[in-house]
Amino acid sequence: DVKVTQSSRYLVKRTGEKVFLECVQDMDHENMFWYRQDPGLGLRLIYFSYDVKMKEKGDIPEGYSVSREKKERFSLILESASTNQTSMYLCASSFRGLGYSGTQYFGPGTRLTVL
Amino acid sequence: EDQVTQSPEALRLQEGESSSLNCSYTVSGLRGLFWYRQDPGKGPEFLFTLYSAGEEKEKERLKATLTKKESFLHITAPKPEDSATYLCAVQAVYGSARQLTFGSGTQLTVLP
Repeated sequence: DVKVTQSSRYLVKRTGEKVFLECVQDMDHENMFWYRQDPGLGLRLIYFSYDVKMKEKGDIPEGYSVSREKKERFSLILESASTNQTSMYLCASSFRGLGYSGTQYFGPGTRLTVL
Repeated sequence: EDQVTQSPEALRLQEGESSSLNCSYTVSGLRGLFWYRQDPGKGPEFLFTLYSAGEEKEKERLKATLTKKESFLHITAPKPEDSATYLCAVQAVYGSARQLTFGSGTQLTVLP
């Protein structure tokens, strides 16, 4: 079974702190994604990566950055956390081929609260 | 801009009461339409992929269908364990084909 793990289930940070969210997948997937999920807004793509050291902006990249130094690991960084970044963050991964890339496997999520 | 609208937002059914969830989409060219199930406090779980109008996929009590403008998720004789939020997403042919555009979901509650 595909397994996507996220470093924390719950996280509480203060405004202005630098926050790291880490995601690891064990299926040798080329693509990895970071989403945030908010009530009424659905899942919105922040960033994705289709290869090591490669990244592309999604729909809402402002205030976030990412790092992918190894194929299995994709990190989301909040450079200076703000209260409007309080949300559920979901990581996902998929194979590269376009026929497969829509079948994404998700981690359990990290519920981040910024005070 | 790709758009996905799901209805209803919430649906309560009695056990055994069949119904359908709707996913309407606007996309420049459809590569695939995806259904996911999300349980509270968990990440979405992949259910189906549909690629062309007229296609149908089934899994246990669920059947997904696709037309040129919408998809339906039919739930036959649901059980309480089918309670979850069901998400629909589209993947476009043009633009960044790796991206999915998600709807806001339908929260299904099946009462015993």
